Amino acid sequence: DADVTQTPRNRITKTGKRIMLECSQTKGHDRMYWYRQDPGLGLQLIYYSFDVKDINKGEISDGYSVSRQAQAKFSLSLESAIPNQTALYFCATSDLMDQQFFGPGTRLTVL
Amino acid sequence: GDSVTQMEGPVTLSEEAFLTINCTYTATGYPSLFWYVQYPGEGLQLLLKATKADDKGSNKGFEATYRKETTSFHLEKGSVQVSDSAVYFCALSEDSYGKLTFGQGTILTVHP
Repeated sequence: DADVTQTPRNRITKTGKRIMLECSQTKGHDRMYWYRQDPGLGLQLIYYSFDVKDINKGEISDGYSVSRQAQAKFSLSLESAIPNQTALYFCATSDLMDQQFFGPGTRLTVL
Repeated sequence: GDSVTQMEGPVTLSEEAFLTINCTYTATGYPSLFWYVQYPGEGLQLLLKATKADDKGSNKGFEATYRKETTSFHLEKGSVQVSDSAVYFCALSEDSYGKLTFGQGTILTVHP
């Protein structure tokens, strides 16, 4: 079984809809992250968390929110989706050696 | 703020050719440096890392040396294979949260 899982893997939604992307990990790591990937721009950090009480904004948090329900679960929400949020979204965890372990990604399309 | 700049791609090579992907960085302190690889349809995975100046990271025939004087961490491989076709990301981490700052990625295609 994969160590970091993301659901859904693909999602098409309409402008203005609320959508939640979920991430679960079995690695036992405290640190978790959400990134978005756009072509030619690498990955940009949306939110990160050290534990269930520690949530921090990344460089592009506007229009997004997160919830850390447990050590193993970190969800990303788009309260009112817009077309420029169309992207590939990755969840990651990291160990004490700063190595990050990525999920397979969620491809989100906002029409 | 911190930033990472990679050579622009895409890079197209024939099998067994020598590969170099350039990466330079700006940081206020002494970051750890990483190369991640993304195969088609998959998430990123760590390829190699270096945590201090003059360290050499290596894995699967790939190497990169942490050069503080030139603020660089170039990725090299002596003989690429078709299976190396992927997107390669250079990244740095400088704080206790382990946040990564990524370069824009370089697409590598290797032909038989």
